[in-house]
Amino acid sequence: GAGVSQSPSNKVTEKGKDVELRCDPISGHTALYWYRQRLGQGLEFLIYFQGNSAPDKSGLPSDRFSAERTGESVSTLTIQRTQQEDSAVYLCASSLDTSGGRHEQFFGPGTRLTVL
Amino acid sequence: AQSVSQHNHHVILSEAASLELGCNYSYGGTVNLFWYVQYPGQHLQLLLKYFSGDPLVKGIKGFEAEFIKSKFSFNLRKPSVQWSDTAEYFCAVNRISGTYKYIFGTGTRLKVLA
Repeated sequence: GAGVSQSPSNKVTEKGKDVELRCDPISGHTALYWYRQRLGQGLEFLIYFQGNSAPDKSGLPSDRFSAERTGESVSTLTIQRTQQEDSAVYLCASSLDTSGGRHEQFFGPGTRLTVL
Repeated sequence: AQSVSQHNHHVILSEAASLELGCNYSYGGTVNLFWYVQYPGQHLQLLLKYFSGDPLVKGIKGFEAEFIKSKFSFNLRKPSVQWSDTAEYFCAVNRISGTYKYIFGTGTRLKVLA
């Protein structure tokens, strides 16, 4: 595809519900990153994938957060039992790979999650 | 703890003014440094990056940044801003080996008055 796509673009949910956020990276990009951006704050690293493996999950805030990637393509970020503090924009980015950390990340438009 | 500090959260300039946005990082080991920009209504995109070599790097749209290792800084500069430079600017760092997670600063919102 032309760029990184994310769905849904907006999600409003009730506290306690589970949500799934999807990211479709640029074709051929083996590295995929998830970030969270709360209002007025910077990008908070959550997790990254190299292929289908996640070498670094250190940014996941709690065990309510999980992510997976299949076929070295689409990734899903799942938040269980959502809380109001989970409200944020969730950004996905992809890059060719992670070698040396030098490849440019291409960002998607984000999913704005609102937990009521 | 690893961190990136951007000292200016909001900057307002008139067109043709010079710009310098500060970025300091705290991250052990050898690092890669980046500036990303988000124009209104658009996705985050890379402005410039530093890996090694000449510490003064040039990016798109006349931007440049200087890596000063002794100060752990990577400040962004532009000699003469334009109205179209109105955007949010993010500094980011990652390590050249080990985990490749990126640490981003909190961003600086720049508004350029026509």
